[in-house]
Amino acid sequence: NAGVMQNPRHLVRRRGQEARLRCSPMKGHSHVYWYRQLPEEGLKFMVYLQKENIIDESGMPKERFSAEFPKEGPSILRIQQVVRGDSAAYFCASSPAGGVYEQYFGPGTRLTVT
Amino acid sequence: GENVEQHPSTLSVQEGDSAVIKCTYSDSASNYFPWYKQELGKRPQLIIDIRSNVGEKKDQRIAVTLNKTAKHFSLHITETQPEDSAVYFCAALDTGRRALTFGSGTRLQVQP
Repeated sequence: NAGVMQNPRHLVRRRGQEARLRCSPMKGHSHVYWYRQLPEEGLKFMVYLQKENIIDESGMPKERFSAEFPKEGPSILRIQQVVRGDSAAYFCASSPAGGVYEQYFGPGTRLTVT
Repeated sequence: GENVEQHPSTLSVQEGDSAVIKCTYSDSASNYFPWYKQELGKRPQLIIDIRSNVGEKKDQRIAVTLNKTAKHFSLHITETQPEDSAVYFCAALDTGRRALTFGSGTRLQVQP
């Protein structure tokens, strides 16, 4: 049973470019969460999605950030016009339908903005 | 929203000793409290969790206790081993946001 998959694992972008991070949940899981982890810090919630629905995006910056989880394919976290402060590890987690309890994390995407 | 505080931020123990990490939370409606272990450059791994209808849960050398009245929960690791060295995060389910709120982490170092 494959775990949560994320790609790319490492992403380097120049200031002003766009970053697209992808997350495929565990098989049978229909809830996806995105978290951001700055160096030496804890994880901060960004957004919670189910298929074709954004359930809670209260942790997402109002500008430049967007997320989707289409009917087919992975969830996408998109960061437009990246700035150096966006450099972080972005983790997605998934949980099965019916609850938001056990969340299993992917390996993360480490975004570096130069 | 939920606020989770965790301490200590660093903890060094000798191999074979016990380690205790403590967390407090603010939202009395929170009902799920997982603990994650994160090794350097790796993903957070769920190691144990507890729901608000129980006071203690144990899995081999790891146990978690929950005091709902005081709004705090703790992770206990007995007979520590060098491979237990990692950063440990507590979390609470924010029922308002329906997402986990994490503590700031404890860096555990087990000295052989």
